[in-house]
Amino acid sequence: QKEVEQNSGPLSVPEGAIASLNCTYSDRGSQSFFWYRQYSGKSPELIMSIYSNGDKEDGRFTAQLNKASQYVSLLIRDSQPSDSATYLCAVGRDNYGQNFVFGPGTRLSVLP
Amino acid sequence: DVKVTQSSRYLVKRTGEKVFLECVQDMDHENMFWYRQDPGLGLRLIYFSYDVKMKEKGDIPEGYSVSREKKERFSLILESASTNQTSMYLCASSSRDEAFFGQGTRLTVV
Repeated sequence: QKEVEQNSGPLSVPEGAIASLNCTYSDRGSQSFFWYRQYSGKSPELIMSIYSNGDKEDGRFTAQLNKASQYVSLLIRDSQPSDSATYLCAVGRDNYGQNFVFGPGTRLSVLP
Repeated sequence: DVKVTQSSRYLVKRTGEKVFLECVQDMDHENMFWYRQDPGLGLRLIYFSYDVKMKEKGDIPEGYSVSREKKERFSLILESASTNQTSMYLCASSSRDEAFFGQGTRLTVV
């Protein structure tokens, strides 16, 4: 079983809709979770981090974590064409030095 | 503005060559990482370092080595380049809460 799994997509949503991106992980002891956005030809950049069960909101982005189900998601409200990118889920392997493991990424396309 | 700088954006090397990829960060981070990114496989960790002169193997270390002589610099070495090492290589440094990535080096081995 892969450590971090994501639906590779592409996920297509119309402009203004809610995009929902999902991620599951295998290590039940994981404590830190991250969503990165990567535009084509660019490096990943951090959107959100989440450490506790529940929801965490930042502008149009909401991260949701359910440790019992080993599931983390990212919701993007009022999706814009500029949100079209690959979204990478990352899980911290340890609490020292943040050794991350990344999922394969989900490609999101927001249609005007 | 935080910076992780990789020495080259594009490299073309011949099979069997020794290849050096350099990475420098200006954030005084202790932790640095080398990943490779391939379509459908995502980011895979090659090596990482928590401190100067310290290195740990990641998930795919075979065919690679690293050097960290100074805190701000982390080098990836391909001892004898092979065609299956053609990839995008990303360097990162991190605090507890975030990893910052360099712009990437696209290496082609012919």
